[in-house]
Amino acid sequence: DIQMTQSPSSLSASVGDRVTITCRASQTISNYLNWYQQKPGKAPKVLIYGTSSLQSGVPSRFSGSGSGTEFTLTISSLQPEDFATYYCQQSDINPLTFGGGTKVEIK
Amino acid sequence: QVQLQESGPGLVKPSQTLSLTCSVSGDSISSGSYYWSWIRQPAGKGLEWIGRVYTSGRIHYNPSLKSRVTISIDTSKNQFFLQVYSVTAADTAVYYCARSPSGDYQLPRFDPWGQGTLVTVSS
Repeated sequence: DIQMTQSPSSLSASVGDRVTITCRASQTISNYLNWYQQKPGKAPKVLIYGTSSLQSGVPSRFSGSGSGTEFTLTISSLQPEDFATYYCQQSDINPLTFGGGTKVEIK
Repeated sequence: QVQLQESGPGLVKPSQTLSLTCSVSGDSISSGSYYWSWIRQPAGKGLEWIGRVYTSGRIHYNPSLKSRVTISIDTSKNQFFLQVYSVTAADTAVYYCARSPSGDYQLPRFDPWGQGTLVTVSS
C-alpha cells in the first residue's frame, strides 16, 4: 500500500496567515493527488484534485502543487471558515489511501 | 445535482453482518463514467477507503478488509451496497459513500459524498 504522511499533524494559525500542509507518498505517484477539508460532524469536501486543479466553488486562496512523492496544500490567507481538518488522498494505485490529517486550529 | 444518502442499522452485534445502502438521487447511477466507493472513519480518526464498484460491475477492495467485505450495485434501484461480515468493535465508524469520475480524461476524486452514517458494533 502507498502510505500518505501529512505534516504537520496539527497547527495553530491566525486569520490572514499563509498556511502550508505537506503530504508525502511512500512511493512515486502520478498527479492523482487530492485534498479534502473536513469540519466536525460533516463529510469531507474536495478542495483540490489532480494535484493542482481547484474544485468548482472552492475559493482561490486554496492551491495545490507538487509531484513525485511530495505535495503541498497552501491556503494563502486563512479565513475563519478554514479552521478544519485537511486530508490528502492518492487515487493512483489500489488501495486508495488517505493521509492522517492536519488539524488547523485558531491561534 | 447528484446526492448520495447512506442508510442502514446504526447498531450491529459483534460477529454479525453490517449492511448499508447508498441511494443515489439527481442522476442515474449508470450515467457517465464513475465509480462508487465506501469509506469509513472511526471516531476521532482518519479516513479508510473500503472499496469501489463500477457500473460495469468491476469491483476493487482494500486488501485490509477484502476477506470480510462485499460491495454490490443495483442500477435499477440507483443504489449500491456494502456488507461487512464478522464485525468487531474495530468496525465501529462513520461510513460514507462517495462518487468519483473514472473516465480516461477525468481526474479521480471523491465528490460528492453522502452525509455519513454511524454504525456502532456492540452487544
